[in-house]
Amino acid sequence: EAGVAQSPRYKIIEKRQSVAFWCNPISGHATLYWYQQILGQGPKLLIQFQNNGVVDDSQLPKDRFSAERLKGVDSTLKIQPAKLEDSAVYLCASSLVPGGDEQYFGPGTRLTVT
Amino acid sequence: AQKITQTQPGMFVQEKEAVTLDCTYDTSDQSYGLFWYKQPSSGEMIFLIYQGSYDEQNATEGRYSLNFQKARKSANLVISASQLGDSAMYFCAMRGVVTGGFKTIFGAGTRLFVKA
Repeated sequence: EAGVAQSPRYKIIEKRQSVAFWCNPISGHATLYWYQQILGQGPKLLIQFQNNGVVDDSQLPKDRFSAERLKGVDSTLKIQPAKLEDSAVYLCASSLVPGGDEQYFGPGTRLTVT
Repeated sequence: AQKITQTQPGMFVQEKEAVTLDCTYDTSDQSYGLFWYKQPSSGEMIFLIYQGSYDEQNATEGRYSLNFQKARKSANLVISASQLGDSAMYFCAMRGVVTGGFKTIFGAGTRLFVKA
């Protein structure tokens, strides 16, 4: 079974530029999560999708971050414009059911904003 | 509000010995889940173990066990017979209920160093 795929693995941009990350969850997993992990901290949930609907986006900075999950499969997270404090690893995870015992994580995208 | 606290930024353990990583939590939910994840230097989060709030027995998975003390709101991870490959960050997490679904929050993590 293929795991959660993410691309790109690394991205370096200048502040005020835009960037997009892509995630393809495990086939059949209804729930998809985007987390932001700043160096030295635990992951922080940005947005959670159930199929193609948003369950929770309370910690998503909506003035600059947006996410979509068209057709309830893969997802894109966008930042526009980027700030220095957005430098972090962006992790995508999926689970079979919303309250699933386990989330499966992708390898993450390391973003550096200069 | 839900909260996860890991008070040990770093821990050292001798190879082949056991180690306990602390985790306390705060929630007003009656039903919740507690998790531990391992994050090696490669960055990928690896699920280790799960404990449901209504589970009476402590969860075990191979060398990992979760010492669940509900009254104290603690969910410590015990790793027995430590191996060099256990050196990594360890995160405690809690799944709680939000409107429309569930939400998982993570602690700040504990970095474990296994000495040969």
